[in-house]
Amino acid sequence: DIQLTQSPSFLSASVGDRVTITCRASQGISSYLAWYQQKPGKAPKLLIYAASTLQSGVPSRFSGSGSGTEFTLTISSLQPEDFATYYCQQLNSYPRVTFGGGTKVEIK
Amino acid sequence: QVQLVESGGGVVQPGGSLRLSCAASGFTFSSYGMHWVRQAPGKGLEWVAFIRYDGSNKYYADSVKGRFTISRDNSKNTLYLQMNSLRAEDTAVYYCAKDLTYCGGDCYFAFDIWGQGTMVTVSS
Repeated sequence: DIQLTQSPSFLSASVGDRVTITCRASQGISSYLAWYQQKPGKAPKLLIYAASTLQSGVPSRFSGSGSGTEFTLTISSLQPEDFATYYCQQLNSYPRVTFGGGTKVEIK
Repeated sequence: QVQLVESGGGVVQPGGSLRLSCAASGFTFSSYGMHWVRQAPGKGLEWVAFIRYDGSNKYYADSVKGRFTISRDNSKNTLYLQMNSLRAEDTAVYYCAKDLTYCGGDCYFAFDIWGQGTMVTVSS
């Protein structure tokens, strides 16, 4: 099975900060990676797929990059509504997908 | 609007059974593959099962294979998850999710629509 390791698992940041979250795959997955945002008590929301394609309706301050084994999610200027937990997901072995352990973004 | 609504969760004893439903609206349900994903309390996301748009192929996580069965009724726009031989470790919020397949040269995938989830608690 392909394992995904997210780092950091927790980060504290302020409104307006630039935030970067990393996701590393245990083997190459090309660009078969998606990012989701989840707020407490809510379902995950798709932000990015194909490593860098912004889902319709998602603000442009979110961006994704990477291929192979290393990927990043960047929030260019953190907004109050962005405090949440973020998950990466590999779809190289679709439909048997796996998720990273999550990164919780909290207010400093 | 595009919507998925799960139901059927509850409290069940170890070894018991439960059937979850996911009602779809706002899109052509019969054209899309569908997934079940679960999340144990305070934990991350775990993919559970997938069914193709026409029900012809089904896939399961090793942790549920042989105990859970995914199915769909396209005439009712509804997805199901039959869960048998339930264990304490199956305790989780269960989400249904719609498949997004984007092909432009290569095909890429994601889960673009999620339901609100239904809680399953396995406890004596």
